[in-house]
Amino acid sequence: GAVVSQHPSWVICKSGTSVKIECRSLDFQATTMFWYRQFPKQSLMLMATSNEGSKATYEQGVEKDKFLINHASLTLSTLTVTSAHPEDSSFYICSARASGGTRSGQFFGPGTRLTVL
Amino acid sequence: DAKTTQPPSMDCAEGRAANLPCNHSTISGNEYVYWYRQIHSQGPQYIIHGLKNNETNEMASLIITEDRKSSTLILPHATLRDTAVYYCIVRVRSNSGYALNFGKGTSLLVTP
Repeated sequence: GAVVSQHPSWVICKSGTSVKIECRSLDFQATTMFWYRQFPKQSLMLMATSNEGSKATYEQGVEKDKFLINHASLTLSTLTVTSAHPEDSSFYICSARASGGTRSGQFFGPGTRLTVL
Repeated sequence: DAKTTQPPSMDCAEGRAANLPCNHSTISGNEYVYWYRQIHSQGPQYIIHGLKNNETNEMASLIITEDRKSSTLILPHATLRDTAVYYCIVRVRSNSGYALNFGKGTSLLVTP
């Protein structure tokens, strides 16, 4: 199947700092990428949808100025958590949509564990 | 997307078949049934999907009732590595550009 990678797999940072998470589609082009957040013992919650070359669409309750998303190419999207606080500690998962042929569908990265001290 | 209902948890003995049910009584004619699973601290993994016919792949089988209001995911010979949260999602085919929305899923525990 299609492969999606994330970097870093985990990060610990101090409160007030910014953290960037990268999401890459390794063997396919993704015109659309999605960012999810998952708190312990809860399901995945969609944060935003990004299309290559355009602004991301954020879900209700997600601050666009705090969670900056850049989808500059067909294989890379980044999520920057600005001025992180302990309540931003979570498991962040990206997903990329492949279209056409045998690789159509939505594929997920392995996730990034963010801990804010 | 149609709402789905799954039991919160299930147990299964290793080597036995795991049958995970999902109710989707409000499914529309153009909506597919997708199954994903999430092993602890990993991203979701695609398992299988179907429209109305039963489907089988190397991971699992999907049985959809004739009225399409419910389905069952079958893991024929469960192993300890199949312990995960299993999500049943109903939606139009995923090339629509919209994200998959996850419910609470079923937490499957495979025991030795």
